[in-house]
Amino acid sequence: DIQMTQSPSTLSASVGDRVTITCRASQSISTWLAWYQQKPGKAPKLLIFGASTLQNGVPSRFSGSGSGSEFTLTISSLQPDDFATYYCHQYNSYSQAFGQGTKVEIK
Amino acid sequence: EVQLVESGGDLVQPRRALTLSCAASGFTFDNYAMHWVRQVPGKGLEWVSGISWDSRSIGYADSVKGRFTISRDNARDSLYLQMNSLQPEDTALYFCTRSTEWLFYFDNWGRGTLVTVSS
Repeated sequence: DIQMTQSPSTLSASVGDRVTITCRASQSISTWLAWYQQKPGKAPKLLIFGASTLQNGVPSRFSGSGSGSEFTLTISSLQPDDFATYYCHQYNSYSQAFGQGTKVEIK
Repeated sequence: EVQLVESGGDLVQPRRALTLSCAASGFTFDNYAMHWVRQVPGKGLEWVSGISWDSRSIGYADSVKGRFTISRDNARDSLYLQMNSLQPEDTALYFCTRSTEWLFYFDNWGRGTLVTVSS
């Protein structure tokens, strides 16, 4: 099974900061990777698919990059609405899996 | 508007059974694969099971294989999860979600239904 490892687990940042979250796969998944945002008590929301394609309606301050086994989610200028938990998701294989999540907190 | 509404969550005793349902609306249900994803309160996401639009492809996480059965009724725009031999570690919020292909990202999610397994 392909394992997904996100880092950091928690990130403290201020409004306006540039934020980067990393997701590593235990083997190559090409670009079969998505990123989701989840706020407390809410369902996850799709941000990015295909490693770098922004879902309709998602602000352009979000971007994704990477291929193979290393991927990043970047928020270019953190906004108050962005404080949440972020998950990566590999859908390359039958045993699709999520990363453990990165909580973005207010510094 | 796409809507996925889960139901059936409950407090059940260990080793008992429970069936979850997901009612879909706002899109052509049989154009999509459907999945169940669960989340232990305060923890991360875990894919549980998925089913292709025509029910020909079905998959399960190792943690539920042999105990859970996914099914769908395209005439009723509904997805189901039959859960047998429930264990305390199955306690979680169960989300219904969809993807345009069998192995693909999840573009819409329901709000979830809570399953608690406890004596």
